[in-house]
Formats: sequence, structure tokens, C-alpha cells
Amino acid sequence: KQEVTQIPAALSVPEGENLVLNCSFTDSAIYNLQWFRQDPGKGLTSLLLIQSSQREQTSGRLNASLDKSSGRSTLYIAASQPGDSATYLCAVITYNFNKFYFGSGTKLNVKP
Amino acid sequence: EPEVTQTPSHQVTQMGQEVILRCVPISNHLYFYWYRQILGQKVEFLVSFYNNEISEKSEIFDDQFSVERPDGSNFTLKIRSTKLEDSAMYFCASSECAQGCEQYFGPGTRLTVT
Repeated sequence: KQEVTQIPAALSVPEGENLVLNCSFTDSAIYNLQWFRQDPGKGLTSLLLIQSSQREQTSGRLNASLDKSSGRSTLYIAASQPGDSATYLCAVITYNFNKFYFGSGTKLNVKP
Repeated sequence: EPEVTQTPSHQVTQMGQEVILRCVPISNHLYFYWYRQILGQKVEFLVSFYNNEISEKSEIFDDQFSVERPDGSNFTLKIRSTKLEDSAMYFCASSECAQGCEQYFGPGTRLTVT
């Protein structure tokens, strides 16, 4: 069964810092990996989708990389802002099943 | 920009009652999903739906649960006899294709069973 782990569980940084969020998964036979943002009590906002044939995707200040062989993905946030404060979730879909397996998330707090 | 919508945003019900959660997926999407998130826990897959039938379901999705696409736009999740442990945030999602496509999530329905 696919297990997805995110480290750290929580992170507090001053505004302007560059930071890295980590996601690892146990079954490398994934079809794609998606990063989401979740604000308290709210839904999931898709940030980036990386397909299995890709190694990275970029959107604005966000860059996500994927290393399937080692079962890892990182989300890099450049020049963090207080508005980036949220929980960041990664989720993977494996070849066998058309469903997401989610990590527990990293709760990010960016201090002004 | 097209988005997935869900109603109601919050539903309070008594144990044993039936509830129906409603979703309107993005109009050109063909694959539909329900997930749930118990407070403080991971988002968990419940069921996927394609071509008017369930394509996959998790062990959580027992006989108390059912899904339906009653018309061309709505996608519903019914819980027949709610339990306290059904209290959670329920998310609907849709995608254009199966594994290779981005899933778009709705804002969720918070279900509280008392």
C-alpha cells in the first residue's frame, strides 16, 4: 500500500526566506504527483502537477521536483510571504489505482 | 475559471439520519471523486466514478455510502445512516482524464453528526 510522508510537519520562518518542503512515497510506480495548498477550514487548491515523465514543474515562486527512483518530491518556495501561510499537501496516484494517496501535510507559518 | 462547487458548506445531522452531499463538477470533466478528511487527519479517498459507475472504492466506502450522478451536472454522495465517526470534511473532485490529469477539488462540506 502506498504511504506518503511529509517532513517537517510544521515550519515557521521569517518573511523573505526560501524554503523547502519534503514529500516521500513508498511505491515509486506513480503516475503523477500533485501539490496542494489548504487554508484552515477550506478546500484544496492545486499548486503544481508533476507527471511521472517530468522531473520538475514551476509556477511563479513555486518549484516542485520529482525523483521517482528515490520516492521523493520537494516543493521549493522562494521569497516566502505571510500570504503563503497554509498547510501544504502532496498526493500521488499510482499506476494501479485512480485515486490519490495524501500526506499529512506541512503547516507553514511565514512571520512578517 | 471553472471550479468545482459543493453544497451545503456545513451540514449538521443526528446519528442515524440520512444525508446527501452535493457536488457540481467542472462541466467537461468525466471522472469524479469523493474524499474525506477527519479533523486533524489525512485526506482519504472514498470513491471514484466514471461513465455512470463506480470505478474504485476504498474500504471506508461500505454499504452505508452510495454515489449517484442524477443528471448531467450533479454528483452526490449519500450516507444512509450516519454515525458519529462520519463527522468530517467531505471533498468532491473532478478531472478530465484518469491518472494523468490534474484533479480539481471543491471547497468541501463539513458534516457534523451529533
